[in-house]
Amino acid sequence: SAVISQKPSRDICQRGTSLTIQCQVDSQVTMMFWYRQQPGQSLTLIATANQGSEATYESGFVIDKFPISRPNLTFSTLTVSNMSPEDSSIYLCSVNPSTSSYEQYFGPGTRLTVT
Amino acid sequence: AQTVTQSQPEMSVQEAETVTLSCTYDTSESNYYLFWYKQPPSRQMILVIRQEAYKQQNATENRFSVNFQKAAKSFSLKISDSQLGDTAMYFCAFMKPSGNQFYFGTGTSLTVIP
Repeated sequence: SAVISQKPSRDICQRGTSLTIQCQVDSQVTMMFWYRQQPGQSLTLIATANQGSEATYESGFVIDKFPISRPNLTFSTLTVSNMSPEDSSIYLCSVNPSTSSYEQYFGPGTRLTVT
Repeated sequence: AQTVTQSQPEMSVQEAETVTLSCTYDTSESNYYLFWYKQPPSRQMILVIRQEAYKQQNATENRFSVNFQKAAKSFSLKISDSQLGDTAMYFCAFMKPSGNQFYFGTGTSLTVIP
């Protein structure tokens, strides 16, 4: 398993600003993932972040809006840029610590409210 | 494309009773993995149980077991001896090994009644 922390746990932001969310893992992992969970909804994958390469974005998500950094094997950031109220969601990072088990472990999430 | 369907938005069960949550999925893949995740009000996603598609034997983890019907593309979760701490949103998820991408269902909100 893996222990994952996220900062901040929650934030209230003004429209048009940007917020960077940090994800820290207690072990080295190759693959990290960023999800969005809109109120009362399921999880939607935003992008896959592998260390040493550009993040891979899912349909409907673009790098200009959600830039991702992955500077090492234990850390990643997701930035939500030029925010609007529609970006109000919980943002979760997850990791797959083992290529043999395919399990994903999730961070506690960042609750973002855009006013 | 893969889709995961959970047809029960909300369910409730008496404490100590058994409840079954339904999940169906659609895929053309032959090799894949299925998972049930639990998200309590604290919102931490917790892995409950997983099933490899190539295994015919149903996975079991203590009070949690699955009924995996590959031909029917069905993957239900049975919770025995329900406890108050089982109250949470439960998500069924599908993953194909290539790409490690997870597809989640819409969730079932389970309430255990004392």
